[in-house]
Amino acid sequence: EPEVTQTPSHQVTQMGQEVILRCVPISNHLYFYWYRQILGQKVEFLVSFYNNEISEKSEIFDDQFSVERPDGSNFTLKIRSTKLEDSAMYFCASSAPQGLGNQPQHFGDGTRLSIL
Amino acid sequence: KNQVEQSPQSLIILEGKNCTLQCNYTVSPFSNLRWYKQDTGRGPVSLTIMTFSENTKSNGRYTATLDADTKQSSLHITASQLSDSASYICVVSGNYNTDKLIFGTGTRLQVFP
Repeated sequence: EPEVTQTPSHQVTQMGQEVILRCVPISNHLYFYWYRQILGQKVEFLVSFYNNEISEKSEIFDDQFSVERPDGSNFTLKIRSTKLEDSAMYFCASSAPQGLGNQPQHFGDGTRLSIL
Repeated sequence: KNQVEQSPQSLIILEGKNCTLQCNYTVSPFSNLRWYKQDTGRGPVSLTIMTFSENTKSNGRYTATLDADTKQSSLHITASQLSDSASYICVVSGNYNTDKLIFGTGTRLQVFP
C-alpha cells in the first residue's frame, strides 16, 4: 500500500538555525498538509496546500514557516530561525482529490525536531 | 472556539473485551468526523470517516457512531486484541474546501493479556 514518507526521522538543530523537513506524499494525491505535535499534546494543523499554493494556514504558521513543492514528488516545510518552542513532531499528510471531505488524510510517521 | 474533547483520557482493558470511547465536539461549521489510531512513535492512521448524514460506520472490529444533533461520537472496539493498544483520536473537519483537521487529545488504550 502506498504511503507518505518523511525524512529525516529525527532532526537536531541549534536554536536560530534554519531547518527543512521533507515529505514525499502518495503519488496521485493533490492535497498536502503539515501538522505538528508537541510532546504530550494533541496534533495541531499548520497548513494545507493545493495547486501550488497555500489553501489555509493556522495562527501557528507565521512568517517563520514556509512550504514548497519544489518538484513533482517532494513537499517541504521550512522553519527559519528556529526557537526552542519549535521542538515537536512534525507530520506530513496527503489526500486524494475525489470528494475531499470523504477522503482520509494519509500521514507519514513524522520528523522529530529537537531544538537545542 | 472549535474544540474536540475525548473521554476517557486513558483506558485499560483485558484482551477479548469490548470498549467504547467518547468524543464531543463544538466545531462549526461541521464537515466530517474521523477516528484515527496512533501507535506510539507513528503517524495517525485513519479508521473511519463520517459526514453529518451518516450515523454509523464500521471498519472491521471498529464501529463509529455520530449524532450530529448532540455533536457526539463514539468508537466501539469489539473483541480487543493486544495490537489495539494505541491512542485513538477523534478528529473533526469544519472546512470542506481545505479539509483542515481539528484533533482531540485522544484516548490512550492499553490492552493486557
